[in-house]
Amino acid sequence: NAGVIQTPRHKVTGKGQEATLWCEPISGHSAVFWYRQTIVQGLEFLTYFRNQAPIDDSGMPKERFSAQMPNQSHSTLKIQSTQPQDSAVYLCASSPGTGGHTQYFGPGTRLLVL
Amino acid sequence: GDKVKQSPSALSLQEGTNSALRCNFSIAATTVQWFLQNPRGSLINLFYLVPGTKENGRLKSTFNSKESYSTLHIRDAQLEDSGTYFCAAEAASGGNYKPTFGKGTSLVVHP
Repeated sequence: NAGVIQTPRHKVTGKGQEATLWCEPISGHSAVFWYRQTIVQGLEFLTYFRNQAPIDDSGMPKERFSAQMPNQSHSTLKIQSTQPQDSAVYLCASSPGTGGHTQYFGPGTRLLVL
Repeated sequence: GDKVKQSPSALSLQEGTNSALRCNFSIAATTVQWFLQNPRGSLINLFYLVPGTKENGRLKSTFNSKESYSTLHIRDAQLEDSGTYFCAAEAASGGNYKPTFGKGTSLVVHP
């Protein structure tokens, strides 16, 4: 079991460019979560999917951020027109389900917007 | 205010001593998770709790849903226990089990 896989591990983009982050959940897990972590804000929930369906995206900035889960083996978080304040570690987690299961985190993608 | 408050925010322990970390909730938490983020940044799950107590080696955690708090006890602290400890509470709402994280307790264990 390779655990949750996130790619790339590091990404540097210029202001205004697009960034796409990838997450491969643990095989068989039905729930996938995205978080953002910064020194100032701590761990912030962004969105989550259950059985590929979006359940709660209340943490997603309404503009520029979008997340998808086209199949059970991967999810993407896309940031359009990146800004310096988007710089953070983006963490993906998966769990066997929700409401009764622990989450397993990936190593994160460190995004730096110059 | 914060829905999940962790205390203390920072802690320094001498190797071999004991301590307790705490989370207080202002939401109707039904489950609690505790994680350790090690110095490399990896988040490691420690406990998943419904109301009650669990123990694993030198760690023990209790979740009291009626009084809205959870504790994590560390016994005989070791250098490798250093890192940031997070608790996360789930409050089920119409099938939505979004966890809410506290801001963490930064622990340094020194020789």
